[in-house]
Amino acid sequence: EIVMTQSPATLSVSPGERATLSCRASQSVSSNLAWYQQKPGQAPRLLIYGASTRATGIPARFSGSGSGTEFTLTISSLQSEDFAVYYCQQYDNWPFTFGQGTRLEIK
Amino acid sequence: EVQLVESGGGLVKPGGSLRLSCAASGFTFSSYSMNWVRQAPGKGLEWVSSISGSSTYIYYADSVKGRFTISRDNAKNSLYLQMNSLRAADTAVYYCASTRAIGGLFDLWGQGTLVTVSS
Repeated sequence: EIVMTQSPATLSVSPGERATLSCRASQSVSSNLAWYQQKPGQAPRLLIYGASTRATGIPARFSGSGSGTEFTLTISSLQSEDFAVYYCQQYDNWPFTFGQGTRLEIK
Repeated sequence: EVQLVESGGGLVKPGGSLRLSCAASGFTFSSYSMNWVRQAPGKGLEWVSSISGSSTYIYYADSVKGRFTISRDNAKNSLYLQMNSLRAADTAVYYCASTRAIGGLFDLWGQGTLVTVSS
């Protein structure tokens, strides 16, 4: 099983600033990496797939990068609605696995 | 409107059974794989099971293999999860999610249904 490790566990950033979230895979997942956003009491929402492709309707301030074992989600200018928990997920190998999440909170 | 709506959650005793349902609308249900993903209270996401469009391919997480059964009825645009021999560790919100683009990607999620296993 591929273990996904996200860092940091919690990130405190001020609105308008940039946020950078990291995700590491225990073995290469190529570019088969997705990012999801989850707000309190809501289901997760797909943000990024293929490591860098934004899902339909996702604002351009969200960008993803990386391949192999190291990945980054960047939010260029944080809006109030962006404060949430973010999960990475690999879909390169069964079983598909998620990271433990990064909580993005208002500083 | 494209959506997934889960139902069937509730309180069940350890060792008991429960059947979850997920109703799909707004897309050609039979063409796509479907999945169950769960989230224990205050915890992260865990993939549970997947089924291909024609039910030919079925996969389970080791944690539920032999106890849970995924199925679908394409005529009713519905996905199911039969859960037997439930344990306290199975307590979670269960989400159904579609895979309409790339295999393994969860591109549409339902709102979830809570399963609580407790005596």
